[in-house]
Amino acid sequence: QVQLKESGPGLVQPSETLSLTCTVSGFSLTSYGVNWVRQPPGKGLEWMGTIWNDGSTDYNSALKSRLSISRDTSKSQVFLKMNSLQTEDTAIYLCAREGGHTMGPYVMDAWGQGASVTVSS
Amino acid sequence: DVVLTQSPATLSVTPGERISLSCRASESVDTYLHWYQQKPNESPRLLIKYASQSISGIPSRFSGSGSGTDFTLSINGVELEDLSIYYCQQGNSLPFTFGSGTKLEIK
Repeated sequence: QVQLKESGPGLVQPSETLSLTCTVSGFSLTSYGVNWVRQPPGKGLEWMGTIWNDGSTDYNSALKSRLSISRDTSKSQVFLKMNSLQTEDTAIYLCAREGGHTMGPYVMDAWGQGASVTVSS
Repeated sequence: DVVLTQSPATLSVTPGERISLSCRASESVDTYLHWYQQKPNESPRLLIKYASQSISGIPSRFSGSGSGTDFTLSINGVELEDLSIYYCQQGNSLPFTFGSGTKLEIK
């Protein structure tokens, strides 16, 4: 059974760095990519970036200067780090599996429950 | 960036109705257009991939059509459990983008 679960601090101070972990099960990170998507309260979805099955990454240019996505395949974990947080970064942060060779590329076929992050002093 | 425009923003429906939701792209995305359903306080769920391909476990009342810049998600016989926000997403070019969503409400 494919599962993804986000974890991290619920509260971050302005100007500090956000660190989130997506722990996956039921599939291998060397076979599937993982996307990070965020959703501000009451708003829509924003793609942040993808780490592909080969370990390469793509980022939303609007966030690229602040964002880093990495992984530890042995632990089935994907990491998001974003610096210089501001109040507008308050959102639910979701990880989603990239469809890969089973569902097809560039589609998000399984999602985590999301991690709520509030940026506030 | 490809802009996806969804309409209407909100749709009030009666159970049993057949409805259509629209997603228009600012440039061609071929058939790299996917639909997701997000119920209140839940994560999105993939409904339709590549414009018209069905997903295992999704009720057959959901279907998709279109290519290029114009896409439609249809629900043939809306049920109460379909009350959600529906998002389209393009995977044709980076950055991946989502539409702003259509919220389905019951009349």
